[in-house]
Amino acid sequence: DAKTTQPPSMDCAEGRAANLPCNHSTISGNEYVYWYRQIHSQGPQYIIHGLKNNETNEMASLIITEDRKSSTLILPHATLRDTAVYYCIVRVAGEGGTASKLTFGTGTRLQVTL
Amino acid sequence: DGGITQSPKYLFRKEGQNVTLSCEQNLNHDAMYWYRQDPGQGLRLIYYSQIVNDFQKGDIAEGYSVSREKKESFPLTVTSAQKNPTAFYLCASSWAGTAGGYTFGSGTRLTVV
Repeated sequence: DAKTTQPPSMDCAEGRAANLPCNHSTISGNEYVYWYRQIHSQGPQYIIHGLKNNETNEMASLIITEDRKSSTLILPHATLRDTAVYYCIVRVAGEGGTASKLTFGTGTRLQVTL
Repeated sequence: DGGITQSPKYLFRKEGQNVTLSCEQNLNHDAMYWYRQDPGQGLRLIYYSQIVNDFQKGDIAEGYSVSREKKESFPLTVTSAQKNPTAFYLCASSWAGTAGGYTFGSGTRLTVV
């Protein structure tokens, strides 16, 4: 699996956009980029994933560079409840009906402040 | 509502005792996973299962055992051979063969005294 590099921590003012970067320079052509977040003492929550194109859902937007070596998760209007550890993971989808294992690093701790 | 349930939320055991953590899902997911998380660390994969009656070791399987007798259930036993069992344990499930995301349970915090 390709490795990812994320800053250990970031701050964001409430109401502003939070832009969380992730480098994955060794990503392969068939590897997806996943984002999860974990609020203290809870299970991680799936946010979004993508392969090549930018993606948007009700929680966030995912911007993947054209060379796919980096991506940015955007929380458009951060709130205090978005304070969490955010994990960027790259992994090939399961093939032939096999499961897709995800490997979690230490992530980025996002602190949203008033 | 569909989801994945872990029980209990907190568990205390004496050193040397085996303990079993429960994980049940009603999402009809094929695959299930167990992760361990230590303070300030990321998640590490213990075991995973893609279908009933089949499972594979993850990165830190020593001292743990699992079973998958039913699609909905994937219990984890922490044995006395696990040298540092105190940790936060997370169970997850997903569809196999897709790029879809995992659904995680709320975790069990195991403390061995």
